[in-house]
Amino acid sequence: QSVLTQPPSVSAAPGQKVTISCSGSSSNIGNNYVSWYQQLPGTAPKLLIYDNYKRPSGIPDRFSGSKSGTSATLGITGLQTGDEADYYCGIWDSSLSAWVFGGGTKLTVL
Amino acid sequence: EVRLVESGGGLIQPGGSLRLSCAASGFNVTTNYMSWVRQAPGKGLEWVSVIHSGGRSYYADSVKGRFTISRDNSKNTLYLQMNSLRAEDTAVYYCARERYSFGNWFDPWGQGTLVTVSS
Repeated sequence: QSVLTQPPSVSAAPGQKVTISCSGSSSNIGNNYVSWYQQLPGTAPKLLIYDNYKRPSGIPDRFSGSKSGTSATLGITGLQTGDEADYYCGIWDSSLSAWVFGGGTKLTVL
Repeated sequence: EVRLVESGGGLIQPGGSLRLSCAASGFNVTTNYMSWVRQAPGKGLEWVSVIHSGGRSYYADSVKGRFTISRDNSKNTLYLQMNSLRAEDTAVYYCARERYSFGNWFDPWGQGTLVTVSS
């Protein structure tokens, strides 16, 4: 059971938009900043979003992040087949003194 | 180029020990926060340990007392000493640099090294 809760899977057609939620608590999302990671099949995770909504250089603006209260959301627009991957939210939990991740969401582009 | 390369994984019997290495290039491991994150086969990401630039370290409850994180400035390398290994420690182990601004994040990640604990 992960400290952060994500839907196990989401799907949408190419060109469409999808959102992935990440629900936490006041000891993590409620008082800190979320990061998001993309893990393509057979590869290491890669940073997508940091500080809730900021994109590293090289990440297209099709990817966006937001936070409200104790939940965060990753948005992907203009879906491409190459976006099929597992997506994870992560954050430092101040009460646990540990990093926590969501269980991951598998994105399928139909 | 900022890069991390892990090594040291393999097949080990339950109760055994293994030391993982993570060689960094393009930055200094001792002036950064550095973490180990693992992923069991078919499962999600699980944070294992972090060592801060000042030397303070933290561990997940699942490995506390069995794993030790350390670094070598002269080799610019991060280590994870794993003792009393269990079947549930079987995973791909990634090292990652932790950056921080308002919050914290991992970037980059290494390619991972597979540890299999089995008799």
